[in-house]
Amino acid sequence: SAVISQKPSRDICQRGTSLTIQCQVDSQVTMMFWYRQQPGQSLTLIATANQGSEATYESGFVIDKFPISRPNLTFSTLTVSNMSPEDSSIYLCSVEPHERESYNEQFFGPGTRLTVL
Amino acid sequence: QKEVEQNSGPLSVPEGAIASLNCTYSDRGSQSFFWYRQYSGKSPELIMFIYSNGDKEDGRFTAQLNKASQYVSLLIRDSQPSDSATYLCAVNGGDSWGKLQFGAGTQVVVTP
Repeated sequence: SAVISQKPSRDICQRGTSLTIQCQVDSQVTMMFWYRQQPGQSLTLIATANQGSEATYESGFVIDKFPISRPNLTFSTLTVSNMSPEDSSIYLCSVEPHERESYNEQFFGPGTRLTVL
Repeated sequence: QKEVEQNSGPLSVPEGAIASLNCTYSDRGSQSFFWYRQYSGKSPELIMFIYSNGDKEDGRFTAQLNKASQYVSLLIRDSQPSDSATYLCAVNGGDSWGKLQFGAGTQVVVTP
């Protein structure tokens, strides 16, 4: 399966600031996704990162708060803007490798643990 | 609101026994089903997927799917302490094609 890396692995940020999280894959993939996992909770899909077009956001998530870039088929960024303590979560990117797209299997990066003070 | 339901646990299992995890889903159009294992502080790892009714075996893991009952399960045979983790059920298809909807996860604790 694809090797996925995320930067930073963790960060502690002040209220009102923004953090950009990077996701890098070692092979080209069509589908990339961003999830959030709040403490003690399951995963919630934030958006699908589309290469060459605007991301597709899920209900409850908006572009102004979570802008996403997808400049090519191996890289994406998620920005958490104007942060509040409620944004403290693990943020995960996932990909569907080309050879597994027909099965919709997703593989996750190691995650970014964000704490907002 | 489409839902994926799991018992949160913890499910305590003696070492060497069979752990049985259950998952129900509400979207009858769902087409593919996944089990992820998540160790504390780590990201989810895909361990099993199933698309057709019946059983699918991979090593010590068996996934069972019953679309008529909207039910998918995971059996872990010969449970080991290293199996202690949270197991997440995920469903794809129906109204949410291309996206995974996750259950809350079942915590499994294997006791020596």
